[in-house]
Amino acid sequence: DSGVTQTPKHLITATGQRVTLRCSPRSGDLSVYWYQQSLDQGLQFLIQYYNGEERAKGNILERFSAQQFPDLHSELNLSSLELGDSALYFCASSPSGTIVGGNTIYFGEGSWLTVV
Amino acid sequence: GQQVMQIPQYQHVQEGEDFTTYCNSSTTLSNIQWYKQRPGGHPVFLIQLVKSGEVKKQKRLTFQFGEAKKNSSLHITATQTTDVGTYFCAGPGAAGNKLTFGGGTRVLVKP
Repeated sequence: DSGVTQTPKHLITATGQRVTLRCSPRSGDLSVYWYQQSLDQGLQFLIQYYNGEERAKGNILERFSAQQFPDLHSELNLSSLELGDSALYFCASSPSGTIVGGNTIYFGEGSWLTVV
Repeated sequence: GQQVMQIPQYQHVQEGEDFTTYCNSSTTLSNIQWYKQRPGGHPVFLIQLVKSGEVKKQKRLTFQFGEAKKNSSLHITATQTTDVGTYFCAGPGAAGNKLTFGGGTRVLVKP
């Protein structure tokens, strides 16, 4: 158990709908990262938040948005869903805003999203 | 932008044999990290290498960071069925924030 909690674990929704994925980081971690993993694919970086502020952005679609709240939990909002958005969405956390000097990131178990 | 590539994409190994997977970055890295994702699981941190030419061992796994800090390798000896999974390398961005992952090497072990 990494200490990173993601909900829901599984979600099935229809095209055009909107969903929210939730992530609670490890206790004491200030950074939250979101990654997308399509079937048998690598991990695509979406976005990073540090202590409530956006720190880095990857190839995140305009239909997707995220935020980190004062209690440090984060939500990833996916709207106007398409079939191609079906994937495993991982949240990860780390103590600081950088991944150097021995720091690493810890992944949650992921949220499986299926768009039908 | 930064790109991290891994080869091979798939590795079929006979149980007991050795194999190596390779990782290359388009940019010089401050560190390289390796993760393992078991089938149906989430990526789990294995190790971080920081110094040029650094070599670290974890039991049957040997990790190496290239002299130019742009490439890395993972060598597994005497492969076991417990080694099944996808091995990812990853490097931080220039600002040290986001972690860019390679495409992974999916390891399948034949008993």
